[in-house]
Amino acid sequence: DAGVIQSPRHEVTEMGQEVTLRCKPISGHNSLFWYRQTMMRGLELLIYFNNNVPIDDSGMPEDRFSAKMPNASFSTLKIQPSEPRDSAVYFCASSFRGARGYTFGSGTRLTVV
Amino acid sequence: AQTVTQSQPEMSVQEAETVTLSCTYDTSESDYYLFWYKQPPSRQMILVIRQEAYKQQNATENRFSVNFQKAAKSFSLKISDSQLGDAAMYFCAYRSAETSGSRLTFGEGTQLTVNP
Repeated sequence: DAGVIQSPRHEVTEMGQEVTLRCKPISGHNSLFWYRQTMMRGLELLIYFNNNVPIDDSGMPEDRFSAKMPNASFSTLKIQPSEPRDSAVYFCASSFRGARGYTFGSGTRLTVV
Repeated sequence: AQTVTQSQPEMSVQEAETVTLSCTYDTSESDYYLFWYKQPPSRQMILVIRQEAYKQQNATENRFSVNFQKAAKSFSLKISDSQLGDAAMYFCAYRSAETSGSRLTFGEGTQLTVNP
């Protein structure tokens, strides 16, 4: 099992550019979560999916953020246009029914200059 | 809404000693799960230990154990025989068992330093 795979590991982009973060959950997991981690705000849930359906996107900061899960093995988080305050580590995590916790990817460190 | 509080931003321990990290939470639910995650400098989030609220017995994983006090809504992590590799940020987390596929709510984290 390769675990949750996120790409890219690091991303540096200029303000105003579109950024797409990618996640491949563990096969068989039916829930997928996107978190953002910053020093100021800690770990924040942005959105999560159950069985590829978005359940709660109340954590998405603004319309510049969007997430999709077209199938059980792939999800994207897109920021357009990006701003310096979006700089953070973005984690993807997946789980199966919850009792055993989540498995996190290695995260994407996004820097917007 | 559930909240998780870690009142110790930083802790330190001598190698081979024991340290306890504190966590409290607030919920109106009776069925839930609690977790401790470790985040070393590599930033990988690693599950350390989990506890089901309906279980009275405290969970143990090798040198890691918890003190789960349901009535007090307290969930502390004890690390015995601390090792240099235990140095990391530790997060306490809550997840409802009453909602399928529910979110993890994290505390603010405790930065643990292990001194040789």
